[in-house]
Amino acid sequence: SQTIHQWPATLVQPVGSPLSLECTVEGTSNPNLYWYRQAAGRGLQLLFYSVGIGQISSEVPQNLSASRPQDRQFILSSKKLLLSDSGFYLCALRTISGNTIYFGEGSWLTVV
Amino acid sequence: DAKTTQPPSMDCAEGRAANLPCNHSTISGNEYVYWYRQIHSQGPQYIIHGLKNNETNEMASLIITEDRKSSTLILPHATLRDTAVYYCIVTSGNNRLAFGKGNQVVVIP
Repeated sequence: SQTIHQWPATLVQPVGSPLSLECTVEGTSNPNLYWYRQAAGRGLQLLFYSVGIGQISSEVPQNLSASRPQDRQFILSSKKLLLSDSGFYLCALRTISGNTIYFGEGSWLTVV
Repeated sequence: DAKTTQPPSMDCAEGRAANLPCNHSTISGNEYVYWYRQIHSQGPQYIIHGLKNNETNEMASLIITEDRKSSTLILPHATLRDTAVYYCIVTSGNNRLAFGKGNQVVVIP
Protein backbone atom coordinates (compact mmCIF):
# COMPACT_ATOMS: atom_id res chain seq x y z
CA SER A 1 0.00 0.00 0.00
CA GLN A 2 1.03 3.59 -0.55
CA THR A 3 2.62 5.56 2.25
CA ILE A 4 3.88 9.11 2.56
CA HIS A 5 6.61 10.24 4.89
CA GLN A 6 7.09 13.88 5.75
CA TRP A 7 9.82 15.43 7.85
CA PRO A 8 10.48 17.21 9.96
CA ALA A 9 7.14 16.98 11.75
CA THR A 10 7.73 20.23 13.61
CA LEU A 11 10.06 23.08 12.82
CA VAL A 12 10.73 26.49 14.38
CA GLN A 13 12.79 28.80 12.20
CA PRO A 14 13.80 32.47 12.43
CA VAL A 15 12.71 34.98 9.81
CA GLY A 16 15.17 35.05 6.92
CA SER A 17 16.44 31.52 7.43
CA PRO A 18 16.20 28.81 4.75
CA LEU A 19 13.68 25.98 4.71
CA SER A 20 13.65 22.43 3.45
CA LEU A 21 10.69 20.12 3.95
CA GLU A 22 10.95 16.67 2.50
CA CYS A 23 8.29 14.26 1.35
CA THR A 24 8.96 10.70 0.20
CA VAL A 25 6.45 8.13 -0.95
CA GLU A 26 6.44 4.35 -1.07
CA GLY A 27 4.31 1.73 -2.72
CA THR A 28 3.64 3.46 -6.00
CA SER A 29 5.44 4.66 -9.10
CA ASN A 30 5.09 7.84 -11.12
CA PRO A 31 2.57 9.48 -8.79
CA ASN A 32 1.44 13.08 -8.94
CA LEU A 33 2.79 14.85 -5.89
CA TYR A 34 1.41 17.94 -4.16
CA TRP A 35 2.38 20.46 -1.52
CA TYR A 36 -0.35 22.26 0.42
CA ARG A 37 -0.24 24.85 3.16
CA GLN A 38 -2.85 25.43 5.81
CA ALA A 39 -2.72 28.57 7.91
CA ALA A 40 -4.42 28.50 11.30
CA GLY A 41 -8.18 28.12 10.90
CA ARG A 42 -8.00 28.17 7.12
CA GLY A 43 -8.52 25.72 4.28
CA LEU A 44 -5.91 23.85 2.26
CA GLN A 45 -4.03 26.03 -0.18
CA LEU A 46 -2.37 24.28 -3.11
CA LEU A 47 1.23 25.47 -3.46
CA PHE A 48 2.91 23.17 -5.98
CA TYR A 49 2.26 19.98 -7.85
CA SER A 50 4.46 17.69 -9.89
CA VAL A 51 3.61 15.10 -12.51
CA GLY A 52 7.14 13.73 -12.84
CA ILE A 53 10.82 14.16 -12.10
CA GLY A 54 11.88 17.74 -12.58
CA GLN A 55 8.35 18.88 -13.49
CA ILE A 56 6.91 21.48 -11.12
CA SER A 57 3.78 23.58 -11.47
CA SER A 58 3.47 26.55 -9.16
CA GLU A 59 0.16 27.83 -7.85
CA VAL A 60 1.51 30.49 -5.53
CA PRO A 61 4.34 32.73 -6.79
CA GLN A 62 5.87 33.55 -3.41
CA ASN A 63 9.22 32.93 -1.79
CA LEU A 64 8.72 29.16 -1.80
CA SER A 65 9.97 26.68 -4.38
CA ALA A 66 9.62 22.96 -4.94
CA SER A 67 11.77 20.32 -6.55
CA ARG A 68 11.35 16.68 -7.50
CA PRO A 69 14.81 15.16 -7.86
CA GLN A 70 13.50 11.59 -7.81
CA ASP A 71 10.21 9.94 -8.71
CA ARG A 72 9.25 9.43 -5.07
CA GLN A 73 10.76 12.54 -3.54
CA PHE A 74 9.24 16.01 -3.34
CA ILE A 75 10.98 18.88 -1.56
CA LEU A 76 9.60 22.25 -0.50
CA SER A 77 12.18 24.98 -0.01
CA SER A 78 12.69 28.61 0.75
CA LYS A 79 15.83 30.72 0.72
CA LYS A 80 14.47 33.27 3.22
CA LEU A 81 11.43 32.55 5.37
CA LEU A 82 8.79 35.16 6.14
CA LEU A 83 6.51 35.26 9.17
CA SER A 84 3.60 34.57 6.83
CA ASP A 85 5.15 31.24 5.87
CA SER A 86 4.09 29.79 9.21
CA GLY A 87 1.54 27.05 8.90
CA PHE A 88 0.80 23.39 8.49
CA TYR A 89 2.37 21.91 5.34
CA LEU A 90 0.95 18.77 3.79
CA CYS A 91 2.32 16.53 1.08
CA ALA A 92 -0.07 14.40 -0.94
CA LEU A 93 0.19 11.84 -3.68
CA ARG A 94 -2.21 10.82 -6.39
CA THR A 95 -1.78 7.41 -7.94
CA ILE A 96 -1.30 7.03 -11.66
CA SER A 97 -4.88 5.80 -12.03
CA GLY A 98 -6.01 9.10 -10.54
CA ASN A 99 -8.55 7.53 -8.26
CA THR A 100 -6.63 7.41 -5.01
CA ILE A 101 -5.24 10.37 -3.10
CA TYR A 102 -3.14 9.99 0.03
CA PHE A 103 -1.89 12.61 2.48
CA GLY A 104 1.10 12.69 4.75
CA GLU A 105 0.82 13.58 8.40
CA GLY A 106 2.01 17.12 7.85
CA SER A 107 4.79 19.41 9.02
CA TRP A 108 4.21 22.28 11.40
CA LEU A 109 6.35 25.32 10.59
CA THR A 110 6.57 28.28 12.93
CA VAL A 111 8.56 31.25 11.73
CA VAL A 112 9.65 33.52 14.59
CA ASP B 1 -11.33 20.90 -11.92
CA ALA B 2 -14.85 22.04 -11.13
CA LYS B 3 -15.45 24.35 -8.18
CA THR B 4 -17.43 23.14 -5.18
CA THR B 5 -19.59 25.04 -2.72
CA GLN B 6 -20.16 23.87 0.84
CA PRO B 7 -21.68 25.58 3.88
CA PRO B 8 -18.88 26.97 6.07
CA SER B 9 -20.16 25.21 9.16
CA MET B 10 -22.96 23.07 10.58
CA ASP B 11 -23.93 21.33 13.79
CA CYS B 12 -25.19 17.78 14.06
CA ALA B 13 -26.74 15.88 16.95
CA GLU B 14 -24.83 12.90 18.27
CA GLY B 15 -26.42 9.62 17.21
CA ARG B 16 -28.39 11.18 14.38
CA ALA B 17 -27.61 11.07 10.69
CA ALA B 18 -25.52 13.98 9.45
CA ASN B 19 -26.20 15.15 5.90
CA LEU B 20 -23.42 17.26 4.42
CA PRO B 21 -24.28 19.03 1.15
CA CYS B 22 -21.97 19.98 -1.70
CA ASN B 23 -22.78 21.83 -4.91
CA HIS B 24 -20.66 21.24 -8.00
CA SER B 25 -22.78 22.62 -10.81
CA THR B 26 -19.89 22.85 -13.30
CA ILE B 27 -18.81 19.24 -12.92
CA SER B 28 -17.81 17.55 -16.16
CA GLY B 29 -18.49 14.01 -17.24
CA ASN B 30 -15.16 12.52 -16.24
CA GLU B 31 -14.83 14.20 -12.86
CA TYR B 32 -15.19 12.24 -9.65
CA VAL B 33 -16.60 13.57 -6.40
CA TYR B 34 -14.32 12.98 -3.42
CA TRP B 35 -14.92 13.56 0.27
CA TYR B 36 -12.20 14.00 2.85
CA ARG B 37 -12.23 15.13 6.42
CA GLN B 38 -9.56 16.75 8.53
CA ILE B 39 -9.31 16.68 12.26
CA HIS B 40 -7.24 19.48 13.71
CA SER B 41 -3.50 19.15 13.20
CA GLN B 42 -3.75 15.98 11.13
CA GLY B 43 -3.60 15.18 7.44
CA PRO B 44 -6.95 14.82 5.62
CA GLN B 45 -8.55 11.40 5.82
CA TYR B 46 -10.22 9.83 2.81
CA ILE B 47 -13.91 9.08 3.29
CA ILE B 48 -15.48 8.10 -0.01
CA HIS B 49 -15.65 8.96 -3.69
CA GLY B 50 -18.02 8.37 -6.61
CA LEU B 51 -18.69 9.19 -10.23
CA LYS B 52 -22.37 8.66 -10.96
CA ASN B 53 -23.80 6.00 -8.71
CA ASN B 54 -24.43 6.29 -5.01
CA GLU B 55 -21.69 4.74 -2.92
CA THR B 56 -21.52 3.33 0.58
CA ASN B 57 -18.66 2.15 2.73
CA GLU B 58 -18.03 1.57 6.41
CA MET B 59 -17.68 5.28 7.09
CA ALA B 60 -20.39 6.98 5.07
CA SER B 61 -22.74 7.06 2.12
CA LEU B 62 -22.44 9.33 -0.89
CA ILE B 63 -25.57 10.38 -2.73
CA ILE B 64 -25.00 12.03 -6.12
CA THR B 65 -27.93 13.66 -7.88
CA GLU B 66 -28.88 12.38 -11.29
CA ASP B 67 -27.59 15.54 -13.00
CA ARG B 68 -24.39 15.26 -10.88
CA LYS B 69 -24.55 18.92 -9.96
CA SER B 70 -24.70 18.23 -6.26
CA SER B 71 -24.01 15.51 -3.75
CA THR B 72 -24.60 14.70 -0.11
CA LEU B 73 -22.32 12.90 2.28
CA ILE B 74 -24.25 11.01 4.92
CA LEU B 75 -22.74 9.99 8.23
CA PRO B 76 -25.38 7.50 9.40
CA HIS B 77 -24.87 7.83 13.16
CA ALA B 78 -22.76 10.85 14.01
CA THR B 79 -20.38 10.54 16.94
CA LEU B 80 -18.32 13.16 18.72
CA ARG B 81 -15.26 11.86 16.88
CA ASP B 82 -16.87 12.89 13.59
CA THR B 83 -16.29 16.54 14.48
CA ALA B 84 -13.96 17.74 11.73
CA VAL B 85 -13.66 19.89 8.62
CA TYR B 86 -15.19 18.05 5.68
CA TYR B 87 -13.95 18.74 2.17
CA CYS B 88 -15.83 17.99 -1.01
CA ILE B 89 -13.72 18.12 -4.17
CA VAL B 90 -14.36 17.20 -7.76
CA THR B 91 -11.49 16.17 -9.95
CA SER B 92 -10.70 14.21 -13.04
CA GLY B 93 -7.51 12.29 -13.65
CA ASN B 94 -5.68 15.47 -14.57
CA ASN B 95 -2.96 17.00 -12.53
CA ARG B 96 -4.24 19.87 -10.47
CA LEU B 97 -5.95 19.03 -7.18
CA ALA B 98 -7.38 21.96 -5.24
CA PHE B 99 -9.44 21.97 -2.04
CA GLY B 100 -11.89 24.62 -0.90
CA LYS B 101 -12.38 25.87 2.64
CA GLY B 102 -14.51 22.94 3.68
CA ASN B 103 -17.43 22.58 6.08
CA GLN B 104 -16.66 22.69 9.81
CA VAL B 105 -18.97 20.04 11.24
CA VAL B 106 -19.48 19.96 14.98
CA VAL B 107 -21.26 16.99 16.54
CA ILE B 108 -23.13 18.07 19.63
CA PRO B 109 -23.84 15.68 22.53
